[in-house]
Amino acid sequence: GENVEQHPSTLSVQEGDSAVIKCTYSDSASNYFPWYKQELGKRPQLIIDIRSNVGEKKDQRIAVTLNKTAKHFSLHITETQPEDSAVYFCAASGGYSTLTFGKGTMLLVSP
Amino acid sequence: NAGVTQTPKFQVLKTGQSMTLQCAQDMNHEYMSWYRQDPGMGLRLIHYSVGAGITDQGEVPNGYNVSRSTTEDFPLRLLSAAPSQTSVYFCASSYSGGTLTGELFFGEGSRLTVL
Repeated sequence: GENVEQHPSTLSVQEGDSAVIKCTYSDSASNYFPWYKQELGKRPQLIIDIRSNVGEKKDQRIAVTLNKTAKHFSLHITETQPEDSAVYFCAASGGYSTLTFGKGTMLLVSP
Repeated sequence: NAGVTQTPKFQVLKTGQSMTLQCAQDMNHEYMSWYRQDPGMGLRLIHYSVGAGITDQGEVPNGYNVSRSTTEDFPLRLLSAAPSQTSVYFCASSYSGGTLTGELFFGEGSRLTVL
């Protein structure tokens, strides 16, 4: 089955800095790569996703890049703010909405 | 729309007891799933369903049963609770257009402690 590795496990940045979280996947048939944000005590919520026919996608301060050849994808957050502090999960899916998640990255943004 | 509703939010069980976590969605989603979340382990898929009457195992199915008699409901049953099943459980649903994966909508979670 699919295996998703996520790095780093924790990331501390100063407000205004950029943050990058990287994931690799094992199944070349995977074609959908979402990122979820989970605030403390809350449910995970989708923040951005990308499909395998696209190399990059942006939404305001958030961007995701995908390298199908290398089987890795990354989340980029620019101009970080304290409210960006949360756990971020990457995931991969080969279809039918069945997602395999990475272990998560705790992002801490200091004022 | 209420979205995905899970009950109970908190539960304490003794080893060997059984219980059912309830999950309901009102978005007419075909796909529903259960995940467990443990510290440092991310979200791991327990069971999933691509439609009423169809269920399948995920990554960590042992000790859990599911059924899908209606589109709206997808209960998760713990047959004989063990301390290793102490976790936070999330139900999630998605519109699944066949092989196309869509956004997963999660419930608020159920925190289960097995003593």
